[in-house]
Amino acid sequence: SAVISQKPSRDICQRGTSLTIQCQVDSQVTMMFWYRQQPGQSLTLIATANQGSEATYESGFVIDKFPISRPNLTFSTLTVSNMSPEDSSIYLCSAAQDRRGYEQYFGPGTRLTVT
Amino acid sequence: AQKVTQAQTEISVVEKEDVTLDCVYETRDTTYYLFWYKQPPSGELVFLIRRNSFDEQNEISGRYSWNFQKSTSSFNFTITASQVVDSAVYFCALSENTGNQFYFGTGTSLTVIP
Repeated sequence: SAVISQKPSRDICQRGTSLTIQCQVDSQVTMMFWYRQQPGQSLTLIATANQGSEATYESGFVIDKFPISRPNLTFSTLTVSNMSPEDSSIYLCSAAQDRRGYEQYFGPGTRLTVT
Repeated sequence: AQKVTQAQTEISVVEKEDVTLDCVYETRDTTYYLFWYKQPPSGELVFLIRRNSFDEQNEISGRYSWNFQKSTSSFNFTITASQVVDSAVYFCALSENTGNQFYFGTGTSLTVIP
């Protein structure tokens, strides 16, 4: 298993600003992902963070709004840019040891409120 | 179409009762993987079990058991003698062999009443 930490755990931000969320894994992992979970809802995949190259975004999510970095095999960041109240959500980082069929381990999440 | 369906949105049981959470999935892949996760009120997602499509044996872990039936595309989760600490949202998920994405169900919120 992998232990994942996220910073910050929560934040309250003003409309129009940006927030960068950090995700740290305690071991090298092949795959890292970013999810959004809106209140009372399921998880929606934002993107797969690729080490050394641009992230792979899911439909409805774009790099300008959610830039992602992954400089190495244990660390990734997600930035929520030009925030609006609709971006208020829990943002979760996850990691998997290999590409397919492996369980994902999740960070504790970052609870974001945009006012 | 929804790849993972959890028809039960909310369930309430009295402590010590057994409860089954339903999960139905849809895939064209012959190789796929199914998962259950628990999300307690604190928010973190806890991995419970992984099962691949070639292993239809039921699994038991303490008070938890899982019933995988390919014929009905179901992967149901039973908690025996439920406890208050079991109160959480439970998610079923599917990973296909053709991609990296997990498809999560909408979750079942379980409340165990003391």
